[in-house]
Amino acid sequence: RKEVEQDPGPFNVPEGATVAFNCTYSNSASQSFFWYRQDCRKEPKLLMSVYSSGNEDGRFTAQLNRASQYISLLIRDSKLSDSATYLCVVSPLSGGYNKLIFGAGTRLAVHP
Amino acid sequence: DTGVSQDPRHKITKRGQNVTFRCDPISEHNRLYWYRQTLGQGPEFLTYFQNEAQLEKSRLLSDRFSAERPKGSFSTLEIQRTEQGDSAMYLCASSLTFSELFFGEGSRLTVL
Repeated sequence: RKEVEQDPGPFNVPEGATVAFNCTYSNSASQSFFWYRQDCRKEPKLLMSVYSSGNEDGRFTAQLNRASQYISLLIRDSKLSDSATYLCVVSPLSGGYNKLIFGAGTRLAVHP
Repeated sequence: DTGVSQDPRHKITKRGQNVTFRCDPISEHNRLYWYRQTLGQGPEFLTYFQNEAQLEKSRLLSDRFSAERPKGSFSTLEIQRTEQGDSAMYLCASSLTFSELFFGEGSRLTVL
């Protein structure tokens, strides 16, 4: 079983739609959680950290459920520029920026 | 450009040849990481340096792979006796202690 599992998609949505991605992780000792974004043939870039209380950054909302070992990302009012692969990432360390374990990613395609 | 730089960006080699990749991290970053990414997968952790010390190596890093960071600045990743299964994107990232990882654009290896 992979340490971080994601639905690979693709999710094809029209502009303005709301889309949600889910992710599960197997290591209950994981301490830090993130969503990264990766554009086609580009490097991954940090989108946002995920906190137990949930957090929001503009149109993006991330949630963490430690009991279920489940992480989510909600994108509201999708833009064409949101088209990318979204990588769910966990780390065993608090403060987290050490050994990052990536999921395989979920592809999002936003169309006009 | 003051980001993480990697060289070469693309390398095509024949099976059995040795290849070396170089990574120049962001100048003040003390931590340097190597990841490998294959098509449709997320990046997989290979190894990590704090300054010049190699602190962790993945089981993915067979004895044909060696990484160095001799003066705590740039790093090299060498693959000896390449195999077709080594074909991948090799990503380097750097960070300060407990801060965000910044990835380079990667070195794409194709083994014929």
